[in-house]
Amino acid sequence: QVQLVQSGAEVKKPGASVKVSCKASGYTVTNNGITWVRQAPGQGLEWMGWISADSVNTIYAQRFQGRVTMTTDTSTNTAYMELRTLRSDDTAVYYCARVWWNGGKCFDYWGQGTLVTVSS
Amino acid sequence: QSVLTQPPSVSGAPGQRVTISCTGSSSNIGAGYDVHWYQQFPGTAPKLLIYGNNRPSGVPDRFSGSKSGTSASLAITGLQAEDEADYYCQSYDSSLSGNWVFGGGTKLTVL
Repeated sequence: QVQLVQSGAEVKKPGASVKVSCKASGYTVTNNGITWVRQAPGQGLEWMGWISADSVNTIYAQRFQGRVTMTTDTSTNTAYMELRTLRSDDTAVYYCARVWWNGGKCFDYWGQGTLVTVSS
Repeated sequence: QSVLTQPPSVSGAPGQRVTISCTGSSSNIGAGYDVHWYQQFPGTAPKLLIYGNNRPSGVPDRFSGSKSGTSASLAITGLQAEDEADYYCQSYDSSLSGNWVFGGGTKLTVL
């Protein structure tokens, strides 16, 4: 079955970078795009960006442009999200999810989430 | 503010029917893009509940989605205690360089 397993929790200082991984199993990442969504403590879901199935195209939410990079490694069936110049308000749980294009662009499978804490 | 607007909270007694609204605009729901719904329990990842007007395998038929104009709704019939969770609507927006957008979320309380 399809599973997305994310890397463990991270604690970073302001100004640092974090790179979260999302390893897929049960399907090939090149068959579906991957999206990243974050959720600050007690807040709602915030869409961050998308990387296409062939890894050629990316779309980033305006507020993250210039600070985020999404990539995939087809050899390990793993997607990555790197966020740079971290601020305290980047403290959140970061989720990867598979994009189901034929399902109207919904997110049909989700990773378990990775807590990133930004604190001095 | 979220691009899609949901009520912060709704409540209902067991067995009742509740609806959660999701209001968008002409660049997202009104443009014809599908609306999807996710259910999230505390401390867990969101789960796809409704995609368009469809339910993934395993989701009870007590849950249904509908859309009209620039709004959508999630309906839950025969409310059960286990339905108490946060619910998010989501669509696609053509005005923001092809962004996906979420509602702010609705907390459902089963009385």
